[in-house]
Order: sequence, then C-alpha cells, then structure tokens
Amino acid sequence: GNSVTQMEGPVTLSEEAFLTINCTYTATGYPSLFWYVQYPGEGLQLLLKATKADDKGSNKGFEATYRKETTSFHLEKGSVQVSDSAVYFCALSDSGAQKLVFGQGTRLTINP
Amino acid sequence: EAGVVQSPRYKIIEKKQPVAFWCNPISGHNTLYWYLQNLGQGPELLIRYENEEAVDDSQLPKDRFSAERLKGVDSTLKIQPAELGDSAVYLCASSLGAGEGADTQYFGPGTRLTVL
Repeated sequence: GNSVTQMEGPVTLSEEAFLTINCTYTATGYPSLFWYVQYPGEGLQLLLKATKADDKGSNKGFEATYRKETTSFHLEKGSVQVSDSAVYFCALSDSGAQKLVFGQGTRLTINP
Repeated sequence: EAGVVQSPRYKIIEKKQPVAFWCNPISGHNTLYWYLQNLGQGPELLIRYENEEAVDDSQLPKDRFSAERLKGVDSTLKIQPAELGDSAVYLCASSLGAGEGADTQYFGPGTRLTVL
C-alpha cells in the first residue's frame, strides 16, 4: 500500500540555520504531495502542496519539490525562525481511496 | 472564511463511558473526514463522508465507534463504551470533493480525549 517515511526527529537548530526535513514516499499512480504543520495545541495547517512531478510548492519561506525519480518531497527553508518550531507532517493523497496518508511527523525546535 | 470547527477541544472521561465529538466543516465542502492521531504519530483515517454518505469506513472500529453526518453538513463521531486505548486526538477535516484543489484537506483543531 501507499506509505510515507519521514526523517526521524526531533530536530533542533539555531535561528537562521538552513532546514531540511526529508520525506520519501511509496505510491501507485501519481499522488499529490503535501506538507502540513502542527503548532502546539493546534490542528494541522496546510503548509504547501505539489500535484505533479517537478512541481515546487512554496509558502512562508518553505519549499519542497516533487521528485518522481527519487520518490521524494523534502522540505527546505533557508533561514528558520523561532516561530517555525512545530511538528511537520509529510503526506500523500491516495487518489484511489481519496484519503491522506501521513508520515510519522518530525518535531522541529528552533533556539534563539 | 471560517475554518473547520470542532467541539469540545478537550474531554476527560472514565473508561466505559460514552463520548461524542462534533464537527462543522468549511461551508461548501462536500467531503468530510474523521482522523485519529495517537501521540507522536501522524493522523490515520477513520471515516470519510461524501455529503451524507459514508463512502469509506473500513478503518472505523464498528464495535464501539459510530458516526453520522445528517443533512450532509455537520458530523458527530461517537465512542461507546470508551477504552483506555482510545485516548488520542480526534481530528475532523473537510475538502471540496471535486474540481481543482479537491484533494486538499483542511483540518480543525481537534478534540483531545483522555480516558481514565
């Protein structure tokens, strides 16, 4: 079945550091790919998405590129802020079942 | 535009008691989802509705869980009786269901259930 594997956390960085959170997927067909962010005590918020190969999703300084050849959708940000501290989830949309399949999440902490 | 609304935000109950969660999706969203999120894990789908019809309930433990979406808008998820292992966050999400952006789901804040 379809699955998503994320880089294990937790990840701790200093403010203004470069961020990469790895995400790889296994899927049949051509799923859409998503990054969601969950701040403490809140629900999941859509951060960015990409719907086909080579698409780049971007939002709030975060970027991720849909790489079909490596089945990856790594999240990057050039300069992180303390306010980016949260849990990040990579997910794919299983078009057949019309549901999201999530990775286990990566907890990110940014220190000032 | 209002987002997905859930209530209550927190619920603490004794085991074997019943509990219910309520969800109001984004206006115009035909598809509604209930997810279970255990601590330290990603959400897992429990049930998906297209309008008032449950089209995927394969992951819903039907011996104790039930759900309804009367009139194709609000939805209620019920557990009866609750067990200790049901302690988790229950997330509701909605999407357009058709057309561009149909596969983008928007989540509510969740209900954190603690079973003692």
